[in-house]
Amino acid sequence: DTAVSQTPKYLVTQMGNDKSIKCEQNLGHDTMYWYKQDSKKFLKIMFSYNNKELIINETVPNRFSPKSPDKAHLNLHINSLELGDSAVYFCASSLNRVLRTDTQYFGPGTRLTVL
Amino acid sequence: DAKTTQPTSMDCAEGRAANLPCNHSTISGNEYVYWYRQIHSQGPQYIIHGLKNNETNEMASLIITEDRKSSTLILPHATLRDTAVYYCIVRVGNTGGFKTIFGAGTRLFVKA
Repeated sequence: DTAVSQTPKYLVTQMGNDKSIKCEQNLGHDTMYWYKQDSKKFLKIMFSYNNKELIINETVPNRFSPKSPDKAHLNLHINSLELGDSAVYFCASSLNRVLRTDTQYFGPGTRLTVL
Repeated sequence: DAKTTQPTSMDCAEGRAANLPCNHSTISGNEYVYWYRQIHSQGPQYIIHGLKNNETNEMASLIITEDRKSSTLILPHATLRDTAVYYCIVRVGNTGGFKTIFGAGTRLFVKA
């Protein structure tokens, strides 16, 4: 069974469109994350949710809106897509970020290409 | 910003031990050192973590210096499938919890 899953795996779209990426974890974790990995391969955290509550928002443009309907799901909606949004987006989950030792488990990634 | 510095890349012969160093000179007493790796086109994968004692699991060993300012990840018998980017991370205290910040990592090439 896949622990952290994301859909879709690939997403190709035009500038200005709106798109969503979905993430689900079946590990029973309280905390979920979205990371962005750009062409330079740096992995940067975007958002973190703990029990459906937004905890971290790392100066991400307002066009990005995460939604957590329950603690097993964290979706990412992106409005008015721009060329610079092209990247691989990784979802992750962990038991609880308040723990001093807290291992993150990552999904397979969604490769977004904006044309 | 990441609290760690690592070499940009390293080579290792298949079957030999791969020793990946990491400096974390500003680490605080209650901050753990974590190692993850990212194989091409996949999500990062947890390897091991430690506080002050050396740790070993089925994947690797982690050696932390007594002053905790540096550590070494050891893959005892590297295989071609261990070619990846290895991230050394110090989890820092943050509002309401701890934060995991990924740096640039070390690109390990295992060669036949």
